Amino acid sequence: GAVVSQHPSRVICKSGTSVKIECRSLDFQATTMFWYRQFPKQSLMLMATSNEGSKATYEQGVEKDKFLINHASLTLSTLTVTSAHPEDSSFYICSASGGAEDTQYFGPGTRLTVL
Amino acid sequence: DAKTTQPTSMDCAEGRAANLPCNHSTISGNEYVYWYRQIHSQGPQYIIHGLKNNETNEMASLIITEDRKSSTLILPHATLRDTAVYYCIVRPSNTGNQFYFGTGTSLTVIP
Repeated sequence: GAVVSQHPSRVICKSGTSVKIECRSLDFQATTMFWYRQFPKQSLMLMATSNEGSKATYEQGVEKDKFLINHASLTLSTLTVTSAHPEDSSFYICSASGGAEDTQYFGPGTRLTVL
Repeated sequence: DAKTTQPTSMDCAEGRAANLPCNHSTISGNEYVYWYRQIHSQGPQYIIHGLKNNETNEMASLIITEDRKSSTLILPHATLRDTAVYYCIVRPSNTGNQFYFGTGTSLTVIP
C-alpha cells in the first residue's frame, strides 16, 4: 500500500503557542487529504477535508480559525493548531487518497500534549 | 455519521480464524465496505474493501452477504500481532469522500 508520513510524531508545547503538523504522501500524489483527531479510548473523528490548491472543508464543530489547514502541493498538507490549550491535547492523524486507487492511507499519527 | 454497527470486543485464540462481523443495513448501492485496523497509538492500517463480491488478499478475506446488509472480515490464522481495533466503514468509492469511523471491534488474540 501507499505510504503516508507525519512529522513530528510527538510534540509537547506550552499553552498559547502554535504547533504545525506535516502530512506527506511519499509515493503517490494525494488529491485529497484528511485530518482526524482521536482522544484516548475513543474512535477517530474527522476534522476536515482538504483538496490540493483549495480551501479545506471543516466538519461541524471544528473551528477553522483554530485548526489551519494548508494543502499547497499534491504531496503535502499541514495542520496548524493555533493558540493551543490543554484541551487540544490529542492524537492527530492524517490520511491521503488519490491516484488510481481511492483508498485512504493513514499516517502514523502525531501525539500533541499541551501543558 | 457512521453507518455501521460492530460488536465492542471479541477474543480469538492464536492460530484460529477470527471472524469479525459488521452490520450496515442502510448501505446504498454505490457504497463500498472498507475495513481498517488500528494498533494502539498508531494510524489505521488498510485491510480490504469490497462492493458486493467476496474479496481476499494477503491479509484477510471479506465476505459480503447477498443483500449487502452485513459483512464479515476473516483473519484466517490470527496471531498476537493481529490484536487491534477493527473498523468497518461504508462510503461511496469516489476519491475525496470522507470516512466516518464508528467505535469498531477491539480484537484480542489470546496465546
